[in-house]
Amino acid sequence: GDSVTQMEGPVTLSEEAFLTINCTYTATGYPSLFWYVQYPGEGLQLLLKATKADDKGSNKGFEATYRKETTSFHLEKGSVQVSDSAVYFCALSDLNTGNQFYFGTGTSLTVIP
Amino acid sequence: EAEVAQSPRYKITEKSQAVAFWCDPISGHATLYWYRQILGQGPELLVQFQDESVVDDSQLPKDRFSAERLKGVDSTLKIQPAELGDSAMYLCASSSREGWGTGELFFGEGSRLTVL
Repeated sequence: GDSVTQMEGPVTLSEEAFLTINCTYTATGYPSLFWYVQYPGEGLQLLLKATKADDKGSNKGFEATYRKETTSFHLEKGSVQVSDSAVYFCALSDLNTGNQFYFGTGTSLTVIP
Repeated sequence: EAEVAQSPRYKITEKSQAVAFWCDPISGHATLYWYRQILGQGPELLVQFQDESVVDDSQLPKDRFSAERLKGVDSTLKIQPAELGDSAMYLCASSSREGWGTGELFFGEGSRLTVL
């Protein structure tokens, strides 16, 4: 079945450091891929998405490219800020499974000044 | 800005008691999801509704969990009896018909359950 494997955390970075959080997926069809973010005390919210191979999603300085050949969707940011401290979830949805979403286990990021 | 409303935010109960969570999705959203999120893990789908119909409840422990969305609007998730292992965050999310396949899931803030 469909699944998402996400880099283990927690990750601690200094402000302005480069961030990469790895995500790989397994899917039978042609899924859409997403990164969701959960700030402390809040619900999950969509950060970015890509709906087909080679698409790049971007938002708030974060980027991720849908790589079908490596079944990956790694999240990157060139210069993190303290306000980026949150838990990041990679996810996929597959219309073949009735738009069910499959989430990774989450990666906790802490950015220190 | 429209939000998904959930209540209660926090619930502490003793094992074997009944507990209920309520969710009001964004107005007009046809699809409603209930997820369980255990600390340190990703959300796990419990049940998915399309309007008032259940689309997927394959992961719902039906011996103790039930969910309904009678008029296709708000929804209630019930646990009876609660067990220690049910301690988790219960998340509700909704999406519009246009949101299918696009990732536009809107989550509420969740209901945190602690079973003693």
